[in-house]
Amino acid sequence: QQKVQQSPESLTVSEGAMASLNCTFSDGTSNNFRWYRQHSAKGLEVLVSIFSDGEKEEGRFTAHLNRANLHVSLHIREPQPSDSAVYLCAVSNNRIFFGDGTQLVVKP
Amino acid sequence: GPKVLQIPSHQIIDMGQMVTLNCDPVSNHLYFYWYKQILGQQMEFLVNFYNGKVMEKSKLFKDQFSVERPDGSYFTLKIQPTALEDSAVYFCASSPDWGGDTQYFGPGTRLLVL
Repeated sequence: QQKVQQSPESLTVSEGAMASLNCTFSDGTSNNFRWYRQHSAKGLEVLVSIFSDGEKEEGRFTAHLNRANLHVSLHIREPQPSDSAVYLCAVSNNRIFFGDGTQLVVKP
Repeated sequence: GPKVLQIPSHQIIDMGQMVTLNCDPVSNHLYFYWYKQILGQQMEFLVNFYNGKVMEKSKLFKDQFSVERPDGSYFTLKIQPTALEDSAVYFCASSPDWGGDTQYFGPGTRLLVL
């Protein structure tokens, strides 16, 4: 079964500084990788989906996938306090396997 | 964009009672999913459902759980009887295709079993 692990558990950055989140997975045959954001008391917000090695940018969010290294990362450019949330890495074929999440705090 | 709705947003019940969680999926979607997230833990897959049938379920989908979508209405998750360990947030998702890349999630139902 796919195992998804995220690091760090929590991250505090200052407004405007780049935030980088990491995710490793155990099974490289999965074909879809996605980053979600979960604000407390709200549902999941899709940030970026990536299907092949390389980089995918959606606004201020950029995902990097390296399937050989079983690694996908998320970089948030110019983070704002409103970006403070739990960020979930998701790896899927037919079902989605989620990581534990990274709690991001962006300080003004 | 497309929205999945979940009703109720919160539910508090006594252990042993029955509870039904309702999901209003995106209108043209054919595949439906339930996920469970215990506070502070990973979100985990419970079950997926297509054409009136459970296609796949995890070990978290206990015998007390059941799903249905009668007459194209709400996609429901029923727990009967409930146990304390069923307290969690339950997320519904739907997708037009079979796969993880097109699932849209609802906001979740927070279930507390006392």
